[in-house]
Amino acid sequence: AQSVTQLDSQVPVFEEAPVELRCNYSSSVSVYLFWYVQYPNQGLQLLLKYLSGSTLVKGINGFEAEFNKSQTSFHLRKPSVHISDTAEYFCAVTTKAAGNKLTFGGGTRVLVKP
Amino acid sequence: DAMVIQNPRYQVTQFGKPVTLSCSQTLNHNVMYWYQQKSSQAPKLLFHYYDKDFNNEADTPDNFQSRRPNTSFCFLDIRSPGLGDAAMYLCATRTLNNEKLFFGSGTQLSVL
Repeated sequence: AQSVTQLDSQVPVFEEAPVELRCNYSSSVSVYLFWYVQYPNQGLQLLLKYLSGSTLVKGINGFEAEFNKSQTSFHLRKPSVHISDTAEYFCAVTTKAAGNKLTFGGGTRVLVKP
Repeated sequence: DAMVIQNPRYQVTQFGKPVTLSCSQTLNHNVMYWYQQKSSQAPKLLFHYYDKDFNNEADTPDNFQSRRPNTSFCFLDIRSPGLGDAAMYLCATRTLNNEKLFFGSGTQLSVL
């Protein structure tokens, strides 16, 4: 079975500063990795995904993530955040063996301050 | 245009009174999911459908049931809601050959 750990439950950051959200996963087989964003009182929206190929993945809204197999990590980064990036961010993992059912991490709440 | 639509956005029910949440999609996706998300927690998968093939998660309580009368609609029935069932319920869809999930905006359920 796979699992996901998001090491930071909350990350406060000033506007225009960079941010990194950490995600580590555990799986005995090849994984597919995702980052979703959830704005207040809304459903989840896909930011980016890693299926195979290049380990640096670029997503929407200026976000990118890097898959590191040796460290079993998939950290999310943005070089300069906006107030509108205030949201909850979820890392998720799935495998073919799991029937592509997602397992979510506990989430990281990002609060962007002016 | 909304592609996965959940109604109602907010639902209040009484302890023990059956309640039904609905989800519809305009994407013609084969797979539909129901997730439960409690406050400040990750979404937890309750069950999913591959077309009409129903798949229940092992730890989903019997109190939760689901129906999918056609490709477009899926319902979550809570037979006897308890206080612990208060949560956001999220519906999601995808096609068989794409791992990307499309989420609805969710239904926030309160149990009084």
